[in-house]
Amino acid sequence: AQSVAQPEDQVNVAEGNPLTVKCTYSVSGNPYLFWYVQYPNRGLQFLLKYITGDNLVKGSYGFEAEFNKSQTSFHLKKPSALVSDSALYFCAVRDMYSNTGKLIFGQGTTLQVKP
Amino acid sequence: DVKVTQSSRYLVKRTGEKVFLECVQDMDHENMFWYRQDPGLGLRLIYFSYDVKMKEKGDIPEGYSVSREKKERFSLILESASTNQTSMYLCASTSGQRHQPQHFGDGTRLSIL
Repeated sequence: AQSVAQPEDQVNVAEGNPLTVKCTYSVSGNPYLFWYVQYPNRGLQFLLKYITGDNLVKGSYGFEAEFNKSQTSFHLKKPSALVSDSALYFCAVRDMYSNTGKLIFGQGTTLQVKP
Repeated sequence: DVKVTQSSRYLVKRTGEKVFLECVQDMDHENMFWYRQDPGLGLRLIYFSYDVKMKEKGDIPEGYSVSREKKERFSLILESASTNQTSMYLCASTSGQRHQPQHFGDGTRLSIL
């Protein structure tokens, strides 16, 4: 079965420190992977995606993600966290059996950045 | 930029009412989706549509129906609202291209009293 796991419900970091939000996936074949951010009372906002090529993908707001095929992971990273990065983050993988752009989402990780 | 517009940010309805949630996208996307989001449960897919008048059930379709009469508009219908349908509802759209992300509206926070 296809799935996405975000093993941490919450990640706490101090402002200025590097942050990592973890994501692992299970799909057959080559995955299409996405990260989204959700601020309070807003919809999901697309951050970045991995389709193919370079394993380090850069996205919006200084975020990047590292694709690791052997570990089936796609961790979100940022070198220096900001208080304004505090939000809910979702990892998603494209459903490989659908042509409709259907995504399989992880449960989400709340990122708390403290001043 | 893709714009997905949900007609209401906040909505309060009564038990038993028929409720319509509207979603419009401006990018000529073939595919549109309705999710509900509840604390601790993440995003759950209710229904999706891959063309005008075409729809498929998602993971939790019970108590809901959908309508897609025009390509840009996808409506979610609660036939007879119940209190357990109080939730945040999110609409999304995407093209048929494999590498394209879904684009989300700002959500409708629906309360059923």
